Amino acid sequence: NAGVTQTPKFQVLKTGQSMTLQCAQDMNHEYMSWYRQDPGMGLRLIHYSVGAGITDQGEVPNGYNVSRSTTEDFPLRLLSAAPSQTSVYFCASSYEVGRSEQFFGPGTRLTVL
Amino acid sequence: GQQLNQSPQSMFIQEGEDVSMNCTSSSIFNTWLWYKQEPGEGPVLLIALYKAGELTSNGRLTAQFGITRKDSFLNISASIPSDVGIYFCAGQARFGNEKLTFGTGTRLTIIP
Repeated sequence: NAGVTQTPKFQVLKTGQSMTLQCAQDMNHEYMSWYRQDPGMGLRLIHYSVGAGITDQGEVPNGYNVSRSTTEDFPLRLLSAAPSQTSVYFCASSYEVGRSEQFFGPGTRLTVL
Repeated sequence: GQQLNQSPQSMFIQEGEDVSMNCTSSSIFNTWLWYKQEPGEGPVLLIALYKAGELTSNGRLTAQFGITRKDSFLNISASIPSDVGIYFCAGQARFGNEKLTFGTGTRLTIIP
């Protein structure tokens, strides 16, 4: 198993541009989530999904959209990038809804100029 | 949003020393997790705790679920260079609620 994979590894955007961060897992996990990591802030939940077709907002959802059309994929869309969205983004999955153990991808480092 | 208070923020220790760090919350958690993150990588789960008072080991790592359910502790014995990284605690407030709250991390540096 490849586990949780994320692409791209690095990305630079200009303010106002849009893009999609990709996340995929091959472990047949029900639960997937997106976090952002900023210095001194720990990890903050952006959006999460408890299964295909079901998504919900986390702690900091503004400026981001998600969809879950398949069990494997959970892309994160930035609609109009802002400098405040400069961060490292992590995708995570858990094999069962309600289980607390989450497995993280390697991250995407995003810079918005 | 809620965050966990993790201390110390950073540690500089010599190889072979023992390490202790802790995480506290103003509210009760039903699950405590400890993760390690190395530069350029995602967090990796080290230990999961499910019961107040529980003490669980993973090699040289030992973690405890505080009896009040508002804190957790991680100890590393006989530190080695590969222990370098940032250690995060995370808590889950309710069983069946998969949302985790993360601490701000403890950065561990080992002096040879």
